[in-house]
Amino acid sequence: DGGITQSPKYLFRKEGQNVTLSCEQNLNHDAMYWYRQDPGQGLRLIYYSQIVNDFQKGDIAEGYSVSREKKESFPLTVTSAQKNPTAFYLCASSMGRQMNTEAFFGQGTRLTVV
Amino acid sequence: GESVGLHLPTLSVQEGDNSIINCAYSNSASDYFIWYKQESGKGPQFIIDIRSNMDKRQGQRVTVLLNKTVKHLSLQIAATQPGDSAVYFCAERGLQGGKLIFGQGTELSVKP
Repeated sequence: DGGITQSPKYLFRKEGQNVTLSCEQNLNHDAMYWYRQDPGQGLRLIYYSQIVNDFQKGDIAEGYSVSREKKESFPLTVTSAQKNPTAFYLCASSMGRQMNTEAFFGQGTRLTVV
Repeated sequence: GESVGLHLPTLSVQEGDNSIINCAYSNSASDYFIWYKQESGKGPQFIIDIRSNMDKRQGQRVTVLLNKTVKHLSLQIAATQPGDSAVYFCAERGLQGGKLIFGQGTELSVKP
């Protein structure tokens, strides 16, 4: 089945450690996005990528890094520089810039710093 | 800067009534708008979208209205059901694609 997959569903990290969240899509979408969601809050954009080997910072990029080496993959690394990393992370994908269509979301990764 | 906001953080309705969820946006250059439904612990699901060259679009039990003059978007749910209980987000995107900006969300609670 076509879709967007995030893994793992739950992730625990010790303070000071980097951790990488996986996001894979087989929808042949050009654009991919990472959002952060805190309890009772909306979605805030971390990074987005319109095409392979290119990405742009969103509104809250500090303490995060991404790569887009393959069309189907857009991993997010939460670095030790992120001061408050505990949150629900959502990945999404959509058709490219020339086709303004909806974004499809994964089921999210809940990251907890212990 | 760009922002998309919702007027009410919570909305409680009786089962069978109609629900109206509102959204204000600030970027007059936005060309495309989407409503999403998010159930607890899950990713947002697409409900309906509308482009800026339209002012109304209907789906199954849902209608989206766009008023570009006052930069306002609304989602109407007919005959609200318990399964409609969730948080609803509006989102906007500028011309030629680009980043998708979300509002804070409205939590809809349906009373039996």
